[in-house]
Amino acid sequence: QQQVKQSPQSLIVQKGGISIINCAYENTAFDYFPWYQQFPGKGPALLIAIRPDVSEKKEGRFTISFNKSAKQFSLHIMDSQPGDSATYFCAAESSGSRLTFGEGTQLTVNP
Amino acid sequence: DAGITQSPRHKVTETGTPVTLRCHQTENHRYMYWYRQDPGHGLRLIHYSYGVKDTDKGEVSDGYSVSRSKTEDFLLTLESATSSQTSVYFCAISERAGAYNSPLHFGNGTRLTVT
Repeated sequence: QQQVKQSPQSLIVQKGGISIINCAYENTAFDYFPWYQQFPGKGPALLIAIRPDVSEKKEGRFTISFNKSAKQFSLHIMDSQPGDSATYFCAAESSGSRLTFGEGTQLTVNP
Repeated sequence: DAGITQSPRHKVTETGTPVTLRCHQTENHRYMYWYRQDPGHGLRLIHYSYGVKDTDKGEVSDGYSVSRSKTEDFLLTLESATSSQTSVYFCAISERAGAYNSPLHFGNGTRLTVT
């Protein structure tokens, strides 16, 4: 039972383009939504996170958009670079629970 | 990499044999976690620890046991490995409960193959 659904499973973008990864959740108790980035042979690392009291958070080229009513959130990577090629995981957590991860998206940015 | 060492990095074992994976941290963090990563499933929590000798089950704990006798070490044991336990296993640590309060830091994983 996957509480956080992530799409697409894989994504190919040209250098300079916008990468968009989407996640949807069912549990309305979730109140923290991080994104993790994972390079081959490495563990995931926290990239950016948002709480539901804001609709958008931006850090450099990375932006999280959050739609509380639709129970969806997405990661936008502007001006995508080959160095952004990695697997991205969305996740969600509620107070007192542990992180629940999405299935992951393998992003490839072609030069 | 946040002072987390997983060993071994790779292991091939046969069905029915016991396997122990080790996670060692130098950060003195209270919380430690074991996840498995499989295609199409993302990361799923196996067990976690909130202190020495204090552990609890995650969402996919069947067939796994853990032990934490020291703050720095968290062991994951497969008592009798099965092919369904072929996976990449990640250890993570955090200073406090809740990822909002204290981000998880992951090790570089152990790739386990059960033949």
